Amino acid sequence: DQQVKQNSPSLSVQEGRISILNCDYTNSMFDYFLWYKKYPAEGPTFLISISSIKDKNEDGRFTVFLNKSAKHLSLHIVPSQPGDSAVYFCAATAETQGGSEKLVFGKGTKLTVNP
Amino acid sequence: AAGVIQSPRHLIKEKRETATLKCYPIPRHDTVYWYQQGPGQDPQFLISFYEKMQSDKGSIPDRFSAQQFSDYHSELNMSSLELGDSALYFCASSLNYNEQFFGPGTRLTVL
Repeated sequence: DQQVKQNSPSLSVQEGRISILNCDYTNSMFDYFLWYKKYPAEGPTFLISISSIKDKNEDGRFTVFLNKSAKHLSLHIVPSQPGDSAVYFCAATAETQGGSEKLVFGKGTKLTVNP
Repeated sequence: AAGVIQSPRHLIKEKRETATLKCYPIPRHDTVYWYQQGPGQDPQFLISFYEKMQSDKGSIPDRFSAQQFSDYHSELNMSSLELGDSALYFCASSLNYNEQFFGPGTRLTVL
């Protein structure tokens, strides 16, 4: 079962407009959420994160919103730039018995920003 | 800034062969994670190490083993390779359970 879901496999927006990527999760034990950006043939690059005690975190053009009651988070990119075109993964963590915090990923959303 | 280093970047093996993937975490990071990403799939957690001790285990086949050495680098050993093991293998490191930083990955192809 997919504990982290990104229901939109792809999204296309115009340069300068807002990109909104959505993510839903089912495991209420998740307490930390992250967004990663991935280009082909490269590893995921950390973008932004949010703790479950917050509902918003902003870093430059990137803002992540968390709605715990709905088990939903979203990543807003504004303004979108062609260089933002990549696959975006939503990920969540919960401390495990072993003490580590493995990431559980969604299947990713491919964002295309058109000039 | 230093990043996670993985070697080799590409590896081609025959079925039933063995493979060893190496990961060098960011200096001073104390936790290493291994993930497997199959074609068109999301990365799946395999195993992690904290301060050279195995801290968690995910969907890692018994044919695979891993360890973290005194210099904090980690190796993923894969034996009796199968066609289905063809995937991207990512290593990530973190400090104090903060954000995980990923290496560029090793693309393993099993023929």
